[in-house]
Amino acid sequence: QKEVEQDPGPLSVPEGAIVSLNCTYSNSAFQYFMWYRQYSRKGPELLMYTYSSGNKEDGRFTAQVDKSSKYISLFIRDSQPSDSATYLCAMRFNTDKLIFGTGTRLQVFP
Amino acid sequence: DAEITQSPRHKITETGRQVTLACHQTWNHNNMFWYRQDLGHGLRLIHYSYGVHDTNKGEVSDGYSVSRSNTEDLPLTLESAASSQTSVYFCASSNGGEPQHFGDGTRLSIL
Repeated sequence: QKEVEQDPGPLSVPEGAIVSLNCTYSNSAFQYFMWYRQYSRKGPELLMYTYSSGNKEDGRFTAQVDKSSKYISLFIRDSQPSDSATYLCAMRFNTDKLIFGTGTRLQVFP
Repeated sequence: DAEITQSPRHKITETGRQVTLACHQTWNHNNMFWYRQDLGHGLRLIHYSYGVHDTNKGEVSDGYSVSRSNTEDLPLTLESAASSQTSVYFCASSNGGEPQHFGDGTRLSIL
């Protein structure tokens, strides 16, 4: 069993939809949680970075962490074609090494 | 603006050859990381460094080596390239406790 599980998709939604992306993890010692967005043939770029359980909002993006269920989510409101990318969850202990999910490919069609 | 530059962006080579991928960062970060990205596996850590002359093995380090002689550079060497090492390689950097910044990757094909 992988430490971090993420549905690879692809997930295809119409423009304007609310998108929910999720990861589950097995190790309760993870303390920091991140979402990265990766466009085709580019490197991952950081979207959201959270420490504790709860919600963090940044524009159309909301990151949610539920440590009791070992479950994190990224919500995208009013999705746009420019949101079409692969979304990677990542997490770490109290060190700098990241453990990544396999990524979910999202396509938003006009 | 600070950035991470990886070179080359694409490389084709033959099995058995030694290959070196370059990573240069201008963030002045202490930490540098090398990952490979493969379908179905996501990003997996190869080697990492927390400072000059410091190197550590990651999850998939067999067949790879790194050395850190200055803050800005962490080259990744494949000692004797194997077809199983065909992949996309990403370099990243960070300061302690901060999120990692990534380069745009090197696509390596080993024939």
